[in-house]
Amino acid sequence: NAGVTQTPKFQVLKTGQSMTLQCAQDMNHNSMYWYRQDPGMGLRLIYYSASEGTTDKGEVPNGYNVSRLNKREFSLRLESAAPSQTSVYFCASKERTGGRTSGANVLTFGAGSRLTVL
Amino acid sequence: GQQLNQSPQSMFIQEGEDVSMNCTSSSIFNTWLWYKQDPGEGPVLLIALYKAGELTSNGRLTAQFGITRKDSFLNISASIPSDVGIYFCAGRNNNNDMRFGAGTRLTVKP
Repeated sequence: NAGVTQTPKFQVLKTGQSMTLQCAQDMNHNSMYWYRQDPGMGLRLIYYSASEGTTDKGEVPNGYNVSRLNKREFSLRLESAAPSQTSVYFCASKERTGGRTSGANVLTFGAGSRLTVL
Repeated sequence: GQQLNQSPQSMFIQEGEDVSMNCTSSSIFNTWLWYKQDPGEGPVLLIALYKAGELTSNGRLTAQFGITRKDSFLNISASIPSDVGIYFCAGRNNNNDMRFGAGTRLTVKP
């Protein structure tokens, strides 16, 4: 099972360039997430999509846009990259957002996309 | 937003030793999770805790959901080289917000 697949794995951009990180999951999960991971700061939520057709801001949304293309795919776009966006980006999914079952709590992560902005 | 304070930041231990790490918060969470991240990979769930006071084991790993709902710890017994990685705690509150600790980087010397 592929789980959560992210592309690209590595990318180097110049300041001001744009790019899109792609994410797809094959687990029929309803909710999808984009996090960034920076040294000493853990994972911080950029945007999420509780279900197909909806998107919401997380803790650090500035400078990013997202698209929930369909139930499987959730992309993250940097319109004008800045050095502060150098980070490792993780896509994740889970069955649902609310409730008390494991499906509402357990995130499955992709392998990450390492982005460097010069 | 709610912050999770995870400690220690890093640990260097000898193979065979036991390891303990913990997460604390000033706010209440209704779920605690522990993830492990191997180099170049995404975090993978180790243990999920759903009830205050709950103590759960997964092989050599044991985690507890603190009675106050503001803390959790993870113990690893008899460490082995493949335990190397970064361990993250995560908490989910009643608003379905998930927060992550900054991670504990574990190095195991053979």
